[in-house]
Amino acid sequence: AQTVTQSQPEMSVQEAETVTLSCTYDTSENNYYLFWYKQPPSRQMILVIRQEAYKQQNATENRFSVNFQKAAKSFSLKISDSQLGDTAMYFCAFMKHEMDSNYQLIWGAGTKLIIKP
Amino acid sequence: DSGVTQTPKHLITATGQRVTLRCSPRSGDLSVYWYQQSLDQGLQFLIQYYNGEERAKGNILERFSAQQFPDLHSELNLSSLELGDSALYFCASSVGDFNQPQHFGDGTRLSIL
Repeated sequence: AQTVTQSQPEMSVQEAETVTLSCTYDTSENNYYLFWYKQPPSRQMILVIRQEAYKQQNATENRFSVNFQKAAKSFSLKISDSQLGDTAMYFCAFMKHEMDSNYQLIWGAGTKLIIKP
Repeated sequence: DSGVTQTPKHLITATGQRVTLRCSPRSGDLSVYWYQQSLDQGLQFLIQYYNGEERAKGNILERFSAQQFPDLHSELNLSSLELGDSALYFCASSVGDFNQPQHFGDGTRLSIL
């Protein structure tokens, strides 16, 4: 069974700093997808970034980028030039490449990120 | 705006009661997922429907049931409610392709008194 581990329950950094959130996963699959979701205090769930396992290039979305290490089963999220609006819970999620339309996400426990002014 | 609509936004009821939560997926999305998030907890996957059929089941209690209708909207029915059922219930939808992310609604906050 797949598992997703986020080892940092809470982190805090100063505004404008760079912060990296860690995520590791366990799977025997070769084809899968990885996601980072953000949940601000409003409790909405917002997709931040996604990575296809077959792609070697790390995904990037503006200030958000990932460091995907397939052999190490690691999928960290880097936030550059952090802003107060980045304060949120961040969830790492895994989806395996199923053939029976089962697109279930496996979720990590989340990391609470606080950006201080 | 994710395009996923959940109603109602808030629901307050008493133990033993039954409620129905409704979700309208994004236009064109065939898959609907239901999640439960208790206070300061991660997401607990409950159930997934794909084009009207149940596709995957997570930690869903027998007191809970769901369905997806021909117009693809979905309802989550919670019965014999207990205090521990108080949580934020999310609906998410996706196209149904492997690499497509799930888009979440704003959630329904259920409070059991």
